[in-house]
Amino acid sequence: GAVVSQHPSWVICKSGTSVKIECRSLDFQATTMFWYRQFPKQSLMLMATSNEGSKATYEQGVEKDKFLINHASLTLSTLTVTSAHPEDSSFYICSARVTPYTEAFFGQGTRLTVV
Amino acid sequence: AQTVTQSQPEMSVQEAETVTLSCTYDTSESDYYLFWYKQPPSRQMILVIRQEAYKQQNATENRFSVNFQKAAKSFSLKISDSQLGDAAMYFCAYETSGSRLTFGEGTQLTVNP
Repeated sequence: GAVVSQHPSWVICKSGTSVKIECRSLDFQATTMFWYRQFPKQSLMLMATSNEGSKATYEQGVEKDKFLINHASLTLSTLTVTSAHPEDSSFYICSARVTPYTEAFFGQGTRLTVV
Repeated sequence: AQTVTQSQPEMSVQEAETVTLSCTYDTSESDYYLFWYKQPPSRQMILVIRQEAYKQQNATENRFSVNFQKAAKSFSLKISDSQLGDAAMYFCAYETSGSRLTFGEGTQLTVNP
């Protein structure tokens, strides 16, 4: 199957700093990528849909200025958590698909800890 | 809005036995897709099985099969001959137009040796 690579796998940062997470589709082009947040033992919550060459579509309640998404190419989307605070600590996962309604390929996830 | 409900937060099964995980969903759409994803301790999401709503035949992938009841809006997953490697969190997911996946709350499956 197709591979989605997410980097870093884990990161610890100080409160007030920004952190960038990368999501790459290694062997296919993804016009759309998705960013999720997952709390321990809970489901995946869609944060935003990242569209190549255009602005991301954020879900209700997700702060656009805090979670900056850039989809500069067909193989790369980035999520930047700006001015991170301890409550932003979570597991972040990206996914991409070759075509709609087919298998979604997920990155390995990034565990963010803000101290 | 579409919702997906998994009423079993936790399930356990003996190795080599069969277990069924439940999932119901709510939608007014007639054309949609349903999925079961597995999230093992590594937290890497893996597709288990996929079902198109327009297909009456239940999907099967080796030891994994579904019981899709469209009228009842039910989509259960049956795991036969359970193996230790099947232990994971299982998520039911729904998708209609727009490529958005809506996930259920998940069922944590424990496989006992």
